[in-house]
Amino acid sequence: EIVMTQSPATLSVSPGERATLSCRASQSVSSNLAWYQQKPGQAPRLLIYGASTRATGIPARFSGSGSGTEFTLTISSLQSEDFAVYYCQQYNNWPPIFTFGPGTKVDIK
Amino acid sequence: QVQLQQSGPGLVKPSQTLSLTCAISGDSVSSNSAAWNWIRQSPSRGLEWLGRTYYRSKWYNDYAVSVKSRITINPDTSKNQFSLQLNSVTPEDTAVYYCARALNWGAAYYFDYWGQGTLVTVSS
Repeated sequence: EIVMTQSPATLSVSPGERATLSCRASQSVSSNLAWYQQKPGQAPRLLIYGASTRATGIPARFSGSGSGTEFTLTISSLQSEDFAVYYCQQYNNWPPIFTFGPGTKVDIK
Repeated sequence: QVQLQQSGPGLVKPSQTLSLTCAISGDSVSSNSAAWNWIRQSPSRGLEWLGRTYYRSKWYNDYAVSVKSRITINPDTSKNQFSLQLNSVTPEDTAVYYCARALNWGAAYYFDYWGQGTLVTVSS
């Protein structure tokens, strides 16, 4: 079973600053990795898939990188609406399973 | 624009069956490029994928090992929806349940549309 970890658990950032979030897989997931944003009371929202491709309508300040076991989500200049919890998710083809990381909360410094 | 509308009870008694439905608009449950999923979220377990149903010339289902003995996900093509049944529930099954579309991209699937979520509490 592939285990996903995320760091840090909480990231305190000032508006306008850069935020760098990390996600690690216990074994290689190639580029089969996505990032989601979740705000209180809402469902998660897809930001990045294929490790680095922005989903439809996602601002360019969000970028993803990495492959194998190490991945990064970067928010280049935090806006007020970006304070939320961010999750990474991997997909394993066989046996088919989706696994989420525990999340990183980005809050206001 | 794809929309997923969930329905079902918010309170289930222990040992009974949790049943939820997800109505699809803007896509088809019989789509050849999507899979239709149930995911739950709780403070203790985080986001947990439960299973999916999808059509590729015939119907397939995949379930998470943690619930495999208790779960059924069924498509309903006449109503363009899919359902979740989770048997023999315990308080540990208390969570927010989401339905979600997973779109095939390359060798993987990603959840691009989600339902609004249903808080299901297991309590007598």
